[in-house]
Amino acid sequence: RKEVEQDPGPFNVPEGATVAFNCTYSNSASQSFFWYRQDCRKEPKLLMSVYSSGNEDGRFTAQLNRASQYISLLIRDSKLSDSATYLCVVHGGSQGNLIFGKGTKLSVKP
Amino acid sequence: NAGVTQTPKFQVLKTGQSMTLQCAQDMNHNSMYWYRQDPGMGLRLIYYSASEGTTDKGEVPNGYNVSRLNKREFSLRLESAAPSQTSVYFCASSAAGSIYGYTFGSGTRLTVV
Repeated sequence: RKEVEQDPGPFNVPEGATVAFNCTYSNSASQSFFWYRQDCRKEPKLLMSVYSSGNEDGRFTAQLNRASQYISLLIRDSKLSDSATYLCVVHGGSQGNLIFGKGTKLSVKP
Repeated sequence: NAGVTQTPKFQVLKTGQSMTLQCAQDMNHNSMYWYRQDPGMGLRLIYYSASEGTTDKGEVPNGYNVSRLNKREFSLRLESAAPSQTSVYFCASSAAGSIYGYTFGSGTRLTVV
């Protein structure tokens, strides 16, 4: 099992749609979880941390299921500006560093 | 602006040439990292430095060396560039290990011909 797995997409959705991304991770000892956003030809930027109780930031909601080793990101009322690649990131690789998923590409169309 | 600064932004090398990628952060972070990103491969850790004075190999260290010059600066050197090292290189830093996530530089696009 790969350390962090994501559906690569692409997800093509209309403006205003709700879209969900899923991610699974292999290290049950992982303690920190994040979603990063990466625009084309740019650096990854932290979108939000993911907490055990779930957390929300505006239109974005992140959930963590430790028992299933599963993380999700829900985007409501999608905007054109949400088009990007979303990286699932988990702390706790063999060297204690962050492990990045390969990303899920989202394209929001008018 | 505070953050992570990488130079150069773009570079073309001939096979066998050497070069050093520079990275500096002004956030007083202890840990710094070098990643490469290739299509379909995601971000792969090359080397990291948990604190000033220490460096460790990541997932793909072969063909690279690093220097943690001081707390601010962490450089990546390619001694003899190969076409397989054509990639986008990102430097990142973090305050306390990985628990708060990383801040990335804007990247260096390297082409080896």
